[in-house]
Order: sequence, then C-alpha cells, then structure tokens
Amino acid sequence: DAKTTQPNSMESNEEEPVHLPCNHSTISGTDYIHWYRQLPSQGPEYVIHGLTSNVNNRMASLAIAEDRKSSTLILHRATLRDAAVYYCILRDVTGGGSNYKLTFGKGTLLTVNP
Amino acid sequence: GAGVSQTPSNKVTEKGKYVELRCDPISGHTALYWYRQSLGQGPEFLIYFQGTGAADDSGLPNDRFFAVRPEGSVSTLKIQRTERGDSAVYLCASSLGDFRTGRGYTFGSGTRLTVV
Repeated sequence: DAKTTQPNSMESNEEEPVHLPCNHSTISGTDYIHWYRQLPSQGPEYVIHGLTSNVNNRMASLAIAEDRKSSTLILHRATLRDAAVYYCILRDVTGGGSNYKLTFGKGTLLTVNP
Repeated sequence: GAGVSQTPSNKVTEKGKYVELRCDPISGHTALYWYRQSLGQGPEFLIYFQGTGAADDSGLPNDRFFAVRPEGSVSTLKIQRTERGDSAVYLCASSLGDFRTGRGYTFGSGTRLTVV
C-alpha cells in the first residue's frame, strides 16, 4: 500500500480554520484519498474522500495538490468538538487486491484551544 | 439501527479465559470488518466479511482468534486462551459492498478488552 506521512500533532484555536497536511508521494492513479477522525473513546469516523478534484462536505473540505502527492484537510472553523486524531489513508478502489482494507498510520492529534 | 453497535463496551477477563465480542452492523451493509487498536496506535485490520464468508482473515494474529458471521449480519469475534497482549480496543466497521465508489466505512465505538 502507498504510504502517507502526517505531522504527529497540531494545535488550533477555537473558531479559526485548521489545515491538516498529508504527504503521499507514492500515490497511484487509482488511489482515493480518505480522511477519518477519531474522537476520544470513539471509533474512527469517516470525514471525506477524493480522487483528483477538491471536495467539500458539511464536515470539511479536501484540497488535493495537482500532482496528487499531497493533500490538505481543511476545517473551516474549528470547535472544541473537532479535537481528535485525524487519519489520512489511501485506498485503491479498483477491482481485485485489498481494496476493502484501510491502513491506518498514527495520524495527527489535533488540539483545539478555547 | 442507525449505527454500528458493539457489545460489550468494556470487557475484563482473566488470562487464559475465552471471550466473545459482538458486532451489529448497519442494516443492509454486506461488508463487515474487524480492527484492533492498541494504545497510541492506529487501528489494524483483522478480518473482512463479504456476506457470510470471511473473504480475508490475514490480519488475525494467530489461531486463538476466530470470527463468524453466520447469517450475513451480526458478527462475533472469538478469542480463546486470552493473553495479556490481547488487551486492546476491538473495532467493528461495516459498509456497502461496492468498493469502487470509495465510500467511507462506519465504525462502532469498540470493545475495550483488558486481560488481567
């Protein structure tokens, strides 16, 4: 599986935007970029995914570099409830292989200050 | 139900005992997964079911671990002769079976297993 690299931790202030980076220099053309987050004492929660174009949903935005070797998860206004570990994961969704498997790294621990 | 339900939420057992962990996936989700998460680490894949069959059990650490999904919905993860190293949070997730959409999975809150 192609690997992702994320900072161990980041800090933000409440109501400010947060940009969480992820490097994936060995990404293949059929890898989707997925983001999950894990709040304390909860299972991971799907946030957003994309292939080539930037994506927006009610939770966040995903900005994907033109060469796809990096991406950024954007929380537009951080709240205390956004404090969590954020995981950037690549998934090959073509038929065959282990396209069902999520390979988690250690993620980025986001702290939100009031 | 609306989400993935895991029971019990916490389980303390003595070394050597047998435990069963249960997962109720979202209704209609044909794919079901078990993951294990040790302290400070990301979740690690254990096993994947498509319907009733285990399509990939390559993540099960050894033959003390076994999982079933007899009717294609509820799944049970079984651990025999538990060891202290089995202590972790066991997570279950489910999804619709078409992976080409790239759609995300829904995880339960996990079962925290402590072997003493």
